[in-house]
This record gives sequence, structure tokens and C-alpha cells, in this order.
Amino acid sequence: DGGITQSPKYLFRKEGQNVTLSCEQNLNHDAMYWYRQDPGQGLRLIYYSQIVNDFQKGDIAEGYSVSREKKESFPLTVTSAQKNPTAFYLCASSSGQVTDTQYFGPGTRLTVL
Amino acid sequence: GQNIDQPTEMTATEGAIVQINCTYQTSGFNGLFWYQQHAGEAPTFLSYNVLDGLEEKGRFSSFLSRSKGYSYLLLKELQMKDSASYLCAVSWNQGGKLIFGQGTELSVKP
Repeated sequence: DGGITQSPKYLFRKEGQNVTLSCEQNLNHDAMYWYRQDPGQGLRLIYYSQIVNDFQKGDIAEGYSVSREKKESFPLTVTSAQKNPTAFYLCASSSGQVTDTQYFGPGTRLTVL
Repeated sequence: GQNIDQPTEMTATEGAIVQINCTYQTSGFNGLFWYQQHAGEAPTFLSYNVLDGLEEKGRFSSFLSRSKGYSYLLLKELQMKDSASYLCAVSWNQGGKLIFGQGTELSVKP
């Protein structure tokens, strides 16, 4: 089945540790995105990539890093510099045109203790 | 700025019709998406509007007025399973980015 997978669904980490969230898609999409969602709020863009080996900062990139070495994969690292990392993280992909629909993975809920 | 406004919460009765509004800044507008998100789950695509008018898909319809910077999502024959957050998202001329509104939490009551 074609789709976007994120793992794990729930993740717990101690404060001060870096953690990497995975996102894989087999839709042959060029563009991939990472969003953060806090309770009762909409989605805020962290980073996005429109092509392999290239990515741009979104609105809240501080404390996060990404890589795009393969078309299928767009991992997000939450670093210790991110002051409030506990949130629901969503990965999405699209064909890459501004009018194309973005399709979302199931999300990873990160809790930092 | 690229502000998107939608009501925070709405309540409606099973079987009724509800309209969820969304307003946005018109400069550089490309298109508008509606997504449905159940609690703890990923958003799922409902509709996309780029031209003025109404797009109908079964019980759900979405309307757009480009000149007014206004859209609405219309849900008919409401069912309990329609209780969810409805997200309005707009693409502007900035290369592939979507900006999301805060979402409207819809509660459908018997």
C-alpha cells in the first residue's frame, strides 16, 4: 500500500537528549514537510524539502534539524536546544506544486520528561 | 502577515447542517484546503478550492470567494462521527508552503 509512515507513534525522552523522528513515504512524492501541533492549535511548519539534498526552514525551525538524503525519507531531529519539545509531530508529503494536496503520516507524539 | 481566522469551537445537532467559516489575507493567494482531524490522528484531506464558487462532495461542500478572502465548509446531515477539528489551510505565492488556521473543533450532539 502506498502511504506515509512515521515511527514510533509514542516517544519518551529525557530533557537534554536529542531524538530523531522518522518519516518514510512510498508515494514517489518530491516534497516532504514536518509540522508541529500543540493542544488546541493548528499545524506549524518546522522544515520542508522540495527535492532531495535540499530543505528550507519553516516558521519554527529553531531547535530542530533535518536531512533529505533520499527521496523517500525525511527524518527530523529534535535537539536539546528546542525549549518546549513535547508536542505532536506530523510529517506530510506532496507532489511538490504549491497547489498539490499534502498527505499526512499518522504522527509521533513526543513527550520530554 | 498571512493570517487565517476560523472559529475555535462550534456545536451542532445530529442530522443538522453546520457552516464553518475561514477568512484569510488575499494578497498572493493560490488556493485553499480543508482538512478533517480526529483527536490524536493525522489530518485527512477534504477539499481544495482555487476558483470562486461551491465544490460539492457528498455531505461536504466547500465555498470560496477570492475577492473577499473567504471560504466556508458546509457539512450536511451531520453524524456523530463528524465530531472533529476542521482545519483551513491556505497556499500563497511562496513555493509549496501551506499555512494552517488554528482549526475549528466541531462537537456533534445527539
